[in-house]
Amino acid sequence: DAKTTQPNSMESNEEEPVHLPCNHSTISGTDYIHWYRQLPSQGPEYVIHGLTSNVNNRMASLAIAEDRKSSTLILHRATLRDAAVYYCILRGGGFNNAGNMLTFGGGTRLMVKP
Amino acid sequence: GAGVSQTPSNKVTEKGKYVELRCDPISGHTALYWYRQSLGQGPEFLIYFQGTGAADDSGLPNDRFFAVRPEGSVSTLKIQRTERGDSAVYLCASSVGLAGYNEQFFGPGTRLTVL
Repeated sequence: DAKTTQPNSMESNEEEPVHLPCNHSTISGTDYIHWYRQLPSQGPEYVIHGLTSNVNNRMASLAIAEDRKSSTLILHRATLRDAAVYYCILRGGGFNNAGNMLTFGGGTRLMVKP
Repeated sequence: GAGVSQTPSNKVTEKGKYVELRCDPISGHTALYWYRQSLGQGPEFLIYFQGTGAADDSGLPNDRFFAVRPEGSVSTLKIQRTERGDSAVYLCASSVGLAGYNEQFFGPGTRLTVL
């Protein structure tokens, strides 16, 4: 599986935007870029995913570089409840065995200051 | 609607004992995954099912670990002769399908402690 690289930790102030970067220079043409987050003592939670175009949903926005070798998860207004570990994960686009499980790295621990 | 549920939420056992961990996926989800998360690390894949069959069990650490999903819904992860190194949070997730764009819905996990 193609790997992703994320900073170990980031800090943000409450109600300010947060940009969480992810590098995935070995991404293949059919890999989807997924973001999950894990709040303390909970299971991971899906945030957003994309393939080539930027994506928006109620939780966040995903900006994907034109060459797809990097992406950025954008939280428009961080709240204290957004403090979590954020994982950037690549998933194969096929329907067979390859790429069906999630391969988690270390993620980025986001700390939000009031 | 109801999410993925896992029971028990906590399990404390002694070294050498047998344990079963249960996962109830979201109704209608055909894909079911098990992951294990050690303290301070990201979850690691163990096994996944498509329907009743184990499609990929390459993540199971050894033959003490086994999982079943006999009717294509509830799944049980079974660990024989538990060891202290098995202590971790065991996470279950389900998905409507196997495509790369399908999101996985996770349960709260079962925290296993082997004394």
